[in-house]
Amino acid sequence: QKEVEQDPGPLSVPEGAIVSLNCTYSNSAFQYFMWYRQYSRKGPELLMYTYSSGNKEDGRFTAQVDKSSKYISLFIRDSQPSDSATYLCAMTESTGANSKLTFGKGITLSVRP
Amino acid sequence: DVKVTQSSRYLVKRTGEKVFLECVQDMDHENMFWYRQDPGLGLRLIYFSYDVKMKEKGDIPEGYSVSREKKERFSLILESASTNQTSMYLCASSSGQAPYEQYFGPGTRLTVT
Repeated sequence: QKEVEQDPGPLSVPEGAIVSLNCTYSNSAFQYFMWYRQYSRKGPELLMYTYSSGNKEDGRFTAQVDKSSKYISLFIRDSQPSDSATYLCAMTESTGANSKLTFGKGITLSVRP
Repeated sequence: DVKVTQSSRYLVKRTGEKVFLECVQDMDHENMFWYRQDPGLGLRLIYFSYDVKMKEKGDIPEGYSVSREKKERFSLILESASTNQTSMYLCASSSGQAPYEQYFGPGTRLTVT
């Protein structure tokens, strides 16, 4: 079983739709959870992060972590064509300075005008 | 804002050539990383460095080496390029402090012919 699993997609939605992107993981020691957005031919950029369980909201984006189920989600409300990108989840244990991130493979989202 | 720059956006090399990919970060980050990204395989860690002159192998170090002589600069070396090293190469840096997020460069698309 891979440490982090992410729906492979691709995902296509109409403009204005609510989008739900999900990842599951197996390592119960993961404490920090992140979502990255990657536009075509660009490097990933950090969208938001969450520590432990709970929700975090930033504008149209909400990140949700359920550690009991080992499941994280990113919700995008009122999706826009500019949200079309690949979204990667990432997570890490809080083991100090040498902490590495474990990434999902990413899902490509297309928002149709 | 953190800035991570990579020496080339696109590179074409011949099989057997020695290839240098350079990465520079301007945030005094302790940790630096090299990944390759391939369709269907996601981000895979090649090498990382948590201090000057310190390095550790990632998941796929074979055929690669790295150099970190200065804190801000991390180089990836392909000793003898092969066609299966055609890929997108991404450099990242991290402060080594919670939440351990990484900041990525724009990537280098390397084609080995």
